Amino acid sequence: NAGVTQTPKFQVLKTGQSMTLQCAQDMNHNSMYWYRQDPGMGLRLIYYSASEGTTDKGEVPNGYNVSRLNKREFSLRLESAAPSQTSVYFCASSAHRSNDEQYFGPGTRLTVT
Amino acid sequence: AQSVTQLGSHVSVSEGALVLLRCNYSSSVPPYLFWYVQYPNQGLQLLLKYTSAATLVKGINGFEAEFKKSETSFHLTKPSAHMSDAAEYFCAVSEFSPGSYQLTFGKGTKLSVIP
Repeated sequence: NAGVTQTPKFQVLKTGQSMTLQCAQDMNHNSMYWYRQDPGMGLRLIYYSASEGTTDKGEVPNGYNVSRLNKREFSLRLESAAPSQTSVYFCASSAHRSNDEQYFGPGTRLTVT
Repeated sequence: AQSVTQLGSHVSVSEGALVLLRCNYSSSVPPYLFWYVQYPNQGLQLLLKYTSAATLVKGINGFEAEFKKSETSFHLTKPSAHMSDAAEYFCAVSEFSPGSYQLTFGKGTKLSVIP
């Protein structure tokens, strides 16, 4: 099993450009999540999807949109990138029980100039 | 909303010394608690989790954590540090939000191991 995969691994954007970060999991998990990680801030939840067809905002959703394409895939879109969105982005999935751990992808390092 | 506080953003220990990373949580209900580790340029991986079965939880790589309800703490320990333990460690608490369980993370503690 590959677990959680993310593409791309690195990306540099200019201010105002758009892009989509892709995430897929092969563990048949119901729930999927997008986080951003900034130095000294820990991980902050951007959006999550409890199941196929549903999405909800997390702590820091502004400037982002998501799509739960099917049970496996959950994408994150930046419509008009800003320097404040320079960060490392992680996708995660879990089986949707209270004591289930989340499984994380390797991350996408995004720089917006 | 629940919250997690990790005391000390950086901790340095000598190789072979005790590792103690502190985590306190706030929760109105019995919590599910997790410790994750992040090695440089990698994603997070689970070290251990508390799910109320036992207050002392053993994880991978010789780490363990003790749940103390009276102190609202879930500190992570390892008797003898190894160079390979150098990483960032995150404590997290599980919380139910509409339709899903979410993790609230602490800000992390970076562990350095001095030879």
